[in-house]
Amino acid sequence: DGGITQSPKYLFRKEGQNVTLSCEQNLNHDAMYWYRQDPGQGLRLIYYSQIVNDFQKGDIAEGYSVSREKKESFPLTVTSAQKNPTAFYLCASSIQGATNYGYTFGSGTRLTVV
Amino acid sequence: AQKVTQAQTEISVVEKEDVTLDCVYETRDTTYYLFWYKQPPSGELVFLIRRNSFDEQNEISGRYSWNFQKSTSSFNFTITASQVVDSAVYFCALSEAQGYGGSQGNLIFGKGTKLSVKP
Repeated sequence: DGGITQSPKYLFRKEGQNVTLSCEQNLNHDAMYWYRQDPGQGLRLIYYSQIVNDFQKGDIAEGYSVSREKKESFPLTVTSAQKNPTAFYLCASSIQGATNYGYTFGSGTRLTVV
Repeated sequence: AQKVTQAQTEISVVEKEDVTLDCVYETRDTTYYLFWYKQPPSGELVFLIRRNSFDEQNEISGRYSWNFQKSTSSFNFTITASQVVDSAVYFCALSEAQGYGGSQGNLIFGKGTKLSVKP
């Protein structure tokens, strides 16, 4: 079955460390997205990519980095510059430019700084 | 500017009560799409419904119904005879056909409404 896989489901990071969250999709979607979710904040867009080797900053990109070397993969790195990284991170994908399609979401990664 | 407002942060009801989740949106586009997603405690967002701006017909799916009114820019979601399994965070979202500023196709989410259904 096609879908989006996020790994790991839970991740613990020490302060000052970089950590990378994985997102893989086999839906043949061009567009991929990363969201951060905090209690009471809803979903906030971190980065998105509409095509391989291209990506754009979202609303809260500071302290994060991404790459899009393959259509199937859109990893997110939470760097040490992100001052408050503890949150739930959701990856999504969509058919690029298909405004009526909506997104397919992964099951999320919960990151905790210890 | 495009915006989705879900004014209800949390709602608590007793099982079998009806409950309506409000969603108000803002957009300059004449062609746009509205969505509702459900996020159960497991975390994954589950697609519930999609409507386009030219179709104001209300929709019913089992215990779920949606009321789309362009005149008030609202897309409200009603659960009839709520059940404990309906407990989740519900998100309303907007996608614009034009997408000013390069946001075409990007979903704009409201902040969500947390629904708790007590037995």
